[in-house]
Amino acid sequence: EVQLVESGGGLVQPGKSLRVSCAVSGFAVTTYSMNWVRQAPGKGLEWVSVVHAGGGTHYADSVRGRFTISRDSSKNTVDLQMNSLRVDDTAVYYCARSSGWDSFWFDPWGQGTLVTVSS
Amino acid sequence: SYVLTQPPSVSVAPGKTARITCGGNNIGTKSVHWYQHKPGQAPVMVIYSNSDRPSGIPERFSGSNSGNPATLIISRVEVGDEADYYCQVWERGSDHPLFGGGTKLTVL
Repeated sequence: EVQLVESGGGLVQPGKSLRVSCAVSGFAVTTYSMNWVRQAPGKGLEWVSVVHAGGGTHYADSVRGRFTISRDSSKNTVDLQMNSLRVDDTAVYYCARSSGWDSFWFDPWGQGTLVTVSS
Repeated sequence: SYVLTQPPSVSVAPGKTARITCGGNNIGTKSVHWYQHKPGQAPVMVIYSNSDRPSGIPERFSGSNSGNPATLIISRVEVGDEADYYCQVWERGSDHPLFGGGTKLTVL
């Protein structure tokens, strides 16, 4: 069964760092593109970052230079290292696999982990 | 930059048909995907590539994209369909995807 389970969320002060992780079962993280998508309180879904099967990475403008996505094939996990956190990074962070050929979609998704940035 | 526009809310009575729209420039030339998101749960893909339905999604869910806007259609709406619905596009050659702002479906 394919399953994605996020962990590592919590309360952190502005300017500090936090690392969230996505544990994957049912497939190897190196065989699909893996993404982080977030939802701020009362807001919609916002894509954050992707690590492609080939290893390439991309970031949303709002997090580029502060967040780093990585994967560990031995643990079958995908991590998001978040530095210089801001209040507006407060959100539920979801891990999601993307698939497709000419167009890409997200399926499945994890349950999410809440990151709260506050002093 | 490209923008996907959804109505903030749609209301429908049980048993009726709900139509949730997703507008964008030349959206008929893109593949649109749709997600259902209930509070406290993981988002679930209900339609991909405009009109394809993943396994396990009821036939009541369908999609069309023959022009502006793309549309998610939910037939014989049930109380359990109450959720936020998002459209999304991500074309090959683009380095990032885009979500619509979301539509809250209320079943009266």
